This record gives sequence, structure tokens and C-alpha cells, in this order.
Amino acid sequence: NSKVIQTPRYLVKGQGQKAKMRCIPEKGHPVVFWYQQNKNNEFKFLINFQNQEVLQQIDMTEKRFSAECPSNSPCSLEIQSSEAGDSALYLCASSLNRNTEVFFGKGTRLTVV
Amino acid sequence: AQSVTQPDARVTVSEGASLQLRCKYSYSGTPYLFWYVQYPRQGLQLLLKYYSGDPVVQGVNGFEAEFIKSNSSFHLRKASVHWSDSAVYFCAVSRSNNRIFFGDGTQLVVKP
Repeated sequence: NSKVIQTPRYLVKGQGQKAKMRCIPEKGHPVVFWYQQNKNNEFKFLINFQNQEVLQQIDMTEKRFSAECPSNSPCSLEIQSSEAGDSALYLCASSLNRNTEVFFGKGTRLTVV
Repeated sequence: AQSVTQPDARVTVSEGASLQLRCKYSYSGTPYLFWYVQYPRQGLQLLLKYYSGDPVVQGVNGFEAEFIKSNSSFHLRKASVHWSDSAVYFCAVSRSNNRIFFGDGTQLVVKP
């Protein structure tokens, strides 16, 4: 069973508001990912980290999202100005290294009204 | 470019019947292959994975999958489904950078 902890489970924000979600990766896992799953079950990779360093991120993440994985603190993903199209399930995942199994949390379901 | 195709958006089977969920992938080289299950209001749970070796891999709860390289397929099978297997199943592919590419999922409905 995965030990990736995501909070909050549900988040409701108005358009233009900031939306912040957190993730505690499995203990000892330095690689962390964020994915967005929309209502059509389509997954979009957002960003990944190794320790505190960003490995890859997509353009959308670079412009409207901010994400970090500070040492000794939860990782976070924040949407600077929420849009209706951001309503989705945001999944955090972690792994031991770049060649091993990835474990997912239960997600934060964001609704932008 | 990497991609995963799950041709069946929804599959309905009767409890106790056998199951096959189809998955085809497009990937240069030999990928890592996965099947995940997602229950309502839950995250993704790994059912099974293929990295190398025996092309038939066993997973949790009686699921298995077979990697057929010549066909670029990784179909999921179960000999006898239970009502609790009703969920959405995702096939996925990745390689050493860990970035995972998912199919669009197959909704499995098990009728009593």
C-alpha cells in the first residue's frame, strides 16, 4: 500500500484564487511527480523533482503553477490564479530512484467554481 | 513518441466470468509496462508491472498480464472476476526517467 500522503483531499476555489495542495512522499523517496487527471481520465504530467531539483516540467506548469519540494517539508503544488479548466484530480507520486516503481497518493480533487 | 492505447472505454462482464482488458503501446525500445487500478474517489494502485524477463507477470488479486513484444501489447487478464473488481483500469508505459504515459482507461463493470 502506498504511503504517499496528499492534503487536502478536496479543495474548492473561485476563479482567480490561489489553490495550494501538498504531498508527503513515501519515506526515503527523493523522486516526486505531479500529474493532473481530468474528468475524462486523461493524465497530464506536470512536473517532477529529484530531491529539491526540478527534473522536468511542462510549459503550463512553468507559467501558472509553482511547485517545490523543500527538504524536511511537504512538497507543494500551487496554482497562482485558478481557472475553471484546472478542475481535476491532482495526483502526487514518489519513487526511490528514476528506475523503480512509482507509488501514487489518493489525490487532491480541485473544483474551481 | 510514447503512447498507450486502450481501445475499450468500457467493459461489462458477469461475476465469475473471465476478463481481458486490452492495451497496446507505442515506444521505441523496450519499455517498462504497468497496469494500475483506480477505485472511485481513490488514487492509483499498482496491479502489476513488467520490467524484463518472463513476459507473463502476476499481480495482485489474481490479475496477470502478458507482454507480447511482436504485437506491442500488454493485455490484462483475470480468470474469474468479482464484483469488487469494478473500477477503472489504466495501462501505462515508462522508461528510466520514470515519466509515465497513461492510456485513457477502461471502465470495468462487473454484473452480479
